Amino acid sequence: KNEVEQSPQNLTAQEGEFITINCSYSVGISALHWLQQHPGGGIVSLFMLSSGKKKHGRLIATINIQEKHSSLHITASHPRDSAVYICAMAGGTSYGKLTFGQGTILTVHP
Amino acid sequence: DAGITQSPRHKVTETGTPVTLRCHQTENHRYMYWYRQDPGHGLRLIHYSYGVKDTDKGEVSDGYSVSRSKTEDFLLTLESATSSQTSVYFCAISEGPNQPQHFGDGTRLSIL
Repeated sequence: KNEVEQSPQNLTAQEGEFITINCSYSVGISALHWLQQHPGGGIVSLFMLSSGKKKHGRLIATINIQEKHSSLHITASHPRDSAVYICAMAGGTSYGKLTFGQGTILTVHP
Repeated sequence: DAGITQSPRHKVTETGTPVTLRCHQTENHRYMYWYRQDPGHGLRLIHYSYGVKDTDKGEVSDGYSVSRSKTEDFLLTLESATSSQTSVYFCAISEGPNQPQHFGDGTRLSIL
């Protein structure tokens, strides 16, 4: 069983919809990362959080340490948000080593 | 964007040949990482470095070695490439262990 589980694996939405991607992990962490990867493209760091909530534009990331769960929300989704969203945990040990979820493929239709 | 350059961007080679991938950064970040990305497995850590000459193994390090003789360069070597090492390789850098990681554009490596 992967230490980091994402759901759903695939998500299709209409432009303007509110989107939620979930990430659960099984061990104690020092930080939880959310990354974005466009088709054929590079990987961009969206958020790194260890508690609470962070917001950047239309993106919001939350984490519940007690429940070992994080969510990524996209408000007013747009076709340019179509990408793979990946969560990754940095374990309790140092060095920032990441263990990744399998990714959620998001497609937003106009 | 963080100054990270991976080279080469694409490479095709034959089984049994040595291959070296280079990650070069201009950010003076202490931490550097090599990952591979494969369908069905996602991203996995190969090796990482926490300073010059300080490196350690990740979860899929068999068949790979690394070197970091100066802050800006982190080299990944496949001593004798195998078809199972066909993958997309990403380098990442970070200022510290609990800081965001910035990724290079990736190297697509095909071993025939």
